[in-house]
Amino acid sequence: NAGVTQTPKFQVLKTGQSMTLQCAQDMNHEYMSWYRQDPGMGLRLIHYSVGAGITDQGEVPNGYNVSRSTTEDFPLRLLSAAPSQTSVYFCASSYSIGNTEAFFGQGTRLTVV
Amino acid sequence: GQQLNQSPQSMFIQEGEDVSMNCTSSSIFNTWLWYKQDPGEGPVLLIALYKAGELTSNGRLTAQFGITRKDSFLNISASIPSDVGIYFCAGQTPWGAGSYQLTFGKGTKLSVIP
Repeated sequence: NAGVTQTPKFQVLKTGQSMTLQCAQDMNHEYMSWYRQDPGMGLRLIHYSVGAGITDQGEVPNGYNVSRSTTEDFPLRLLSAAPSQTSVYFCASSYSIGNTEAFFGQGTRLTVV
Repeated sequence: GQQLNQSPQSMFIQEGEDVSMNCTSSSIFNTWLWYKQDPGEGPVLLIALYKAGELTSNGRLTAQFGITRKDSFLNISASIPSDVGIYFCAGQTPWGAGSYQLTFGKGTKLSVIP
């Protein structure tokens, strides 16, 4: 089982560029989410999805878009990268919205210069 | 948003010692979770707590859900070098329509001296 797979692992962007962080899970999980991790801040929820076609905002959604066209994939789009978006991004999935046993990917380390 | 106060921020301990860390909040949570993060990896769930007062063990790890639902602690007994990492607490609360959010503490960085 691959679990939750994130690509790329590392990325450097210039301010104003756009890109998509990929996330895929092979566990048939309904619930998927994106977090960002900043030093001394813990993990903060960006966006989440409770199933294909359904997404909603988390705590820090500004500057990010998501879509969920399939159960397996939940990409995160940076529309116009800013230095404040330099962070480590984690995708997570769990069986359902009531299931707290979230599985995390290995993360994408993004630097915006 | 809700905040969790996790302490200590970091710990240096000798191999074989016991470790204790805790999280407190001004708000109540439905569920408390404890995760461990190794360098370059995503967090991995260690223990989940679902009821106030619940005490749960996972090998050398023991965690408790405070009776006020505003705090939780994690103990590690007889630490070993592979216990090194960052430990996060997380509390689950309702978010939006029919969903939930995990609020994470800022982490406790554990270093074990052989």
